[in-house]
Amino acid sequence: KNEVEQSPQNLTAQEGEFITINCSYSVGISALHWLQQHPGGGIVSLFMLSSGKKKHGRLIATINIQEKHSSLHITASHPRDSAVYICAVGRETSGSRLTFGEGTQLTVNP
Amino acid sequence: DTGVSQDPRHKITKRGQNVTFRCDPISEHNRLYWYRQTLGQGPEFLTYFQNEAQLEKSRLLSDRFSAERPKGSFSTLEIQRTEQGDSAMYLCASSPPFWATNEKLFFGSGTQLSVL
Repeated sequence: KNEVEQSPQNLTAQEGEFITINCSYSVGISALHWLQQHPGGGIVSLFMLSSGKKKHGRLIATINIQEKHSSLHITASHPRDSAVYICAVGRETSGSRLTFGEGTQLTVNP
Repeated sequence: DTGVSQDPRHKITKRGQNVTFRCDPISEHNRLYWYRQTLGQGPEFLTYFQNEAQLEKSRLLSDRFSAERPKGSFSTLEIQRTEQGDSAMYLCASSPPFWATNEKLFFGSGTQLSVL
């Protein structure tokens, strides 16, 4: 079992839909990151959070430390949101390295 | 443009050859990371530098792999005697000091290595 698991693996939505991507982890963490990866490899950091909730534009990230679970929400989705969304955790016991989930491929159709 | 530069973008080499990749982080970032990513998988940690010191190294990093950050600025990752299993995207990332208010990671575009 991976230490970081994301669901779903693939998600197809229609433009305007509300999207939720989930991340569960099994280790103690110091922080959780949500990242966006576009075709060709470019990775952009969306959020780093260790508690509560953060919002940036149409993106909202939440984390529940007790349940070891985080969600990334996209409101009013748009085709340009199509990308792979990756959850990564910084483990309490492993210094600064991140352990990544396998990613969620999101496709938003017009 | 994230500010982290990697060179080259693509590298095709024959099995057994040595290759070297370069990463130039964002200038005020003292922390630098190398990750490797294969198709359909999330990135895997390879190594971490704080300034010029290599503080963490994954067991994925065999003796054929070596990384340096001699002056605490740019970093190089060398793979000796490349094998076909080394084919992957090699990603570099940097982040500011831990006391910075924003500890987000900034990734380069990666070097895609193909070993024939």
